[in-house]
Amino acid sequence: DTGVSQDPRHKITKRGQNVTFRCDPISEHNRLYWYRQTLGQGPEFLTYFQNEAQLEKSRLLSDRFSAERPKGSFSTLEIQRTEQGDSAMYLCASSTRTGWDYTFGSGTRLTVV
Amino acid sequence: EDQVTQSPEALRLQEGESSSLNCSYTVSGLRGLFWYRQDPGKGPEFLFTLYSAGEEKEKERLKATLTKKESFLHITAPKPEDSATYLCAVQEGNTDKLIFGTGTRLQVFP
Repeated sequence: DTGVSQDPRHKITKRGQNVTFRCDPISEHNRLYWYRQTLGQGPEFLTYFQNEAQLEKSRLLSDRFSAERPKGSFSTLEIQRTEQGDSAMYLCASSTRTGWDYTFGSGTRLTVV
Repeated sequence: EDQVTQSPEALRLQEGESSSLNCSYTVSGLRGLFWYRQDPGKGPEFLFTLYSAGEEKEKERLKATLTKKESFLHITAPKPEDSATYLCAVQEGNTDKLIFGTGTRLQVFP
């Protein structure tokens, strides 16, 4: 499979718990992006990496959110002390340096109860 | 502030009934305009990238066009399997992030 892979597909967690999601990009893509999508809305940008460097973060990325890409390959997105408002689809995408070949994964659906 | 507005919000078509979806945008320095298809519970699937006004791209029953203020996604003789949400996004000149519209939910009935 040469697409963007996300794990898990679904996560149900209790309010206040920490969760971590993983994204494996297309191997030749050096840019990796995280987006969040709520029902009826388009995806909203959270952050992106070029190799292991985090280049941009959205105001949406509160201090409870942290993203890493330690070796410039896969990335993790952690949410600490989850709130009900964090319930959403978390999408990962990757691209080459041109930024034009944006490919999304299938997403991780988070439900906070 | 960069903005993307898609219309209509929802569209119901009979199979074979051609139509167009609109994406209006305001951005300082367009680097690219993207069209994606999204099925329920799945990630967006790439359709087209347009880079400059006047450009057109086609794929099966879909054709995307771009002007300086808007893009159209024309659907010719749609089939039920074309039912999905179609998302438009713009990429500004000095960043790699995409700014999405809220999408058009298309339903095609046999």
